[in-house]
Amino acid sequence: DAGITQSPRHKVTETGTPVTLRCHQTENHRYMYWYRQDPGHGLRLIHYSYGVKDTDKGEVSDGYSVSRSKTEDFLLTLESATSSQTSVYFCAIRPGQKTEAFFGQGTRLTVV
Amino acid sequence: AQKVTQAQTEISVVEKEDVTLDCVYETRDTTYYLFWYKQPPSGELVFLIRRNSFDEQNEISGRYSWNFQKSTSSFNFTITASQVVDSAVYFCALSEDGNYGQNFVFGPGTRLSVLP
Repeated sequence: DAGITQSPRHKVTETGTPVTLRCHQTENHRYMYWYRQDPGHGLRLIHYSYGVKDTDKGEVSDGYSVSRSKTEDFLLTLESATSSQTSVYFCAIRPGQKTEAFFGQGTRLTVV
Repeated sequence: AQKVTQAQTEISVVEKEDVTLDCVYETRDTTYYLFWYKQPPSGELVFLIRRNSFDEQNEISGRYSWNFQKSTSSFNFTITASQVVDSAVYFCALSEDGNYGQNFVFGPGTRLSVLP
């Protein structure tokens, strides 16, 4: 199994509070991604990183920010959580552009 | 921009039937990569196959086979003699070359239910 860990696995938070999800890898892969999964939408890309301190926006980036200060960690922050951000969040890693991605176990976030 | 369509939202079959999951993609790149992933009820995403745009050979792996046709921009997945353990959501994905590798787009998925 690819060495990728997401934390926390489950979280319930209140509307308006900031939330940070962590993705940690032990594979030294260059590319890291954050997706959200919602019924009927599949997996939608939030942000991605192509190196330390190199990040960019995906399809649904509004309300989210990311940081990557070390190769192994990619943090996703919901600046002020809203109910529409209730979702399952997946982190993925890829060694290169031509390869498949390996996914973490997912984080189920509920905003009440 | 690239796009992946999986027109079949849900499919139900009886065990031992063959089933084909459709995937149609859009891209303007000449070099790209196609993938299939499986998400069983436990929720993890499991990589099944990758196919390069310049390799149109069909692939067979046990009961699974994939048919890649550039002429119709399709990358269909067939399960032969389906089993209950094949019940899952299946995602098709597309990655274009270049642009720092961010273009990794998924379709909405097809939920397959295999009934005993």
